[in-house]
Amino acid sequence: GDSVTQMEGPVTLSEEAFLTINCTYTATGYPSLFWYVQYPGEGLQLLLKATKADDKGSNKGFEATYRKETTSFHLEKGSVQVSDSAVYFCALSWNFNKFYFGSGTKLNVKP
Amino acid sequence: EAQVTQNPRYLITVTGKKLTVTCSQNMNHEYMSWYRQDPGLGLRQIYYSMNVEVTDKGDVPEGYKVSRKEKRNFPLILESPSPNQTSLYFCASSLSRGTNNEQFFGPGTRLTVL
Repeated sequence: GDSVTQMEGPVTLSEEAFLTINCTYTATGYPSLFWYVQYPGEGLQLLLKATKADDKGSNKGFEATYRKETTSFHLEKGSVQVSDSAVYFCALSWNFNKFYFGSGTKLNVKP
Repeated sequence: EAQVTQNPRYLITVTGKKLTVTCSQNMNHEYMSWYRQDPGLGLRQIYYSMNVEVTDKGDVPEGYKVSRKEKRNFPLILESPSPNQTSLYFCASSLSRGTNNEQFFGPGTRLTVL
């Protein structure tokens, strides 16, 4: 069945470091792909998305490119801030009805 | 303020005692969904609804019921809760199915079943 696999955390970085959080998916076909962020004590918020192969989603300095060859959607940011500390979830969806989420990756950014 | 609200935010109950977690949105969204979040498993979809009176199963529907009698409300019903339903539950809504529609999440309901 469909699934999403994320790198395990926590990921600990110093402020201004480069961030990569790996995400790969298993699906028959080409679903839409998402990154969501969850700050402590809150619900999830959409960070970025891509709906077809080679699309690049971007928001708030974060980017991810839909790679069908490697079935991946890795999240990157060139310079993280303490305020980026949160849990990040990769997800896929078919027709925006059923959603499958990864297990989440906790990011800690130290000043 | 546009938002998704859930009640209660915290609930401790005992095995077998029926409970309902309410979800309401004030954005006139057609699509609503319930998820549970468990450590190491991420979010798993329980049920979703594309519009009033239209609901369908997600990945983990067993032990849950939903109803969508009004557009704004999508309650989650546990007829006979069991300890394995102890979890953090999130309701979400979006305008409709479609490529540009963002899901808005509620603040979560932490349920403990003893």
